[in-house]
Amino acid sequence: QQPVQSPQAVILREGEDAVINCSSSKALYSVHWYRQKHGEAPVFLMILLKGGEQKGHDKISASFNEKKQQSSLYLTASQLSYSGTYFCGTEQYDYKLSFGAGTTVTVRA
Amino acid sequence: GAVVSQHPSWVICKSGTSVKIECRSLDFQATTMFWYRQFPKQSLMLMATSNEGSKATYEQGVEKDKFLINHASLTLSTLTVTSAHPEDSSFYICSARGAVGLAGGPSYNEQFFGPGTRLTVL
Repeated sequence: QQPVQSPQAVILREGEDAVINCSSSKALYSVHWYRQKHGEAPVFLMILLKGGEQKGHDKISASFNEKKQQSSLYLTASQLSYSGTYFCGTEQYDYKLSFGAGTTVTVRA
Repeated sequence: GAVVSQHPSWVICKSGTSVKIECRSLDFQATTMFWYRQFPKQSLMLMATSNEGSKATYEQGVEKDKFLINHASLTLSTLTVTSAHPEDSSFYICSARGAVGLAGGPSYNEQFFGPGTRLTVL
């Protein structure tokens, strides 16, 4: 079952912050975040395992609340290179990922 | 590390022909490979899961006789679209997942995607 992502789209100016949410109706084992540029394959950002962990990569970080079956991706001090479509992929217990509909992020100078 | 390649990157074929797409993990052994299809401005839809040496597991609604998957080795999986029709035109992407703890591979259950293959059926 597909997770629900919000918002569908967000427009930012360089340096602004944004939050992308991902929620599931099913119990989750892990959440994976990817970014996809137009015409390219998704690029892995990070994986969060159950246990309520948080992770960060440069100024992109994420949290996972397994009790609420929710994950959030935080874009801090956004850069032009952050533009793209962000997908969360949720895993239950069978290694397969279900992807949300995606959040299109546009960062403008 | 964790590089996945796909070949070809794009293909145009006539209706009724078959097309083979290769997915290779270049620097790690992939115990499991996944095949996805993505239509324009839509999400990735899992088509099938492929484990080395065993039959692929197809998602509901995916015709296994139309989309043949072979996972011949720990570094290679192929998807063959048989008797392709215009409605099969899409972006096909594979991903590979390595076994936990293998040297040079993903640390845990990360899926790394290939660059994708754009199929256009005329």
